[in-house]
Amino acid sequence: GQQLNQSPQSMFIQEGEDVSMNCTSSSIFNTWLWYKQDPGEGPVLLIALYKAGELTSNGRLTAQFGITRKDSFLNISASIPSDVGIYFCAGRDAGGTSYGKLTFGQGTILTVHP
Amino acid sequence: ETGVTQSPTHLIKTRGQQVTLRCSSQSGHNTVSWYQQALGQGPQFIFQYYREEENGRGNFPPRFSGLQFPNYSSELNVNALELDDSALYLCASSRGRANTEAFFGQGTRLTVV
Repeated sequence: GQQLNQSPQSMFIQEGEDVSMNCTSSSIFNTWLWYKQDPGEGPVLLIALYKAGELTSNGRLTAQFGITRKDSFLNISASIPSDVGIYFCAGRDAGGTSYGKLTFGQGTILTVHP
Repeated sequence: ETGVTQSPTHLIKTRGQQVTLRCSSQSGHNTVSWYQQALGQGPQFIFQYYREEENGRGNFPPRFSGLQFPNYSSELNVNALELDDSALYLCASSRGRANTEAFFGQGTRLTVV
């Protein structure tokens, strides 16, 4: 199925470092969502973006909706061990036969060393 | 406010059997979507229900079907199970069809043997 291109695939960082990950798509999206998923659990919503150029923060997390509407970025500042997990971007297309469908990236696996 | 809940959490079925997975949407949400997540992959959209009608479908065969009830809870039915159907099945609920924010349940881990 269709997926977004999410990078990097994995990251190994030291506690306290900043993290950046991004998603790109060949399609325009009206909404970008960022999720974190722990093993065996469902994705947990971190940040939602609704307008091109929008920059939104949630604690140490900051995400941006790209101006072209085809990309989005997530930054985590001052990482801590509990940031470990898989981060997914998801774009939503508001029209067509798959109304409301979320298209997910492949995920970024984040490992934080104490 | 209760979150999205799914049942069962784990299930083992034999190839060729049928399975029904259940989802209770978050309070105040009238839209439910189902996703299949294979190991190491992102979730893949199966279909969406709004006010008891399917109004969006991904690239899944007709043996994947669903229902939404008047209380907005939902079921996912899969007939003639195949080994490749083994995955984590996720339900997400949202307020409205354009589902601005989608909140996921913990998922049902289905293993087909």
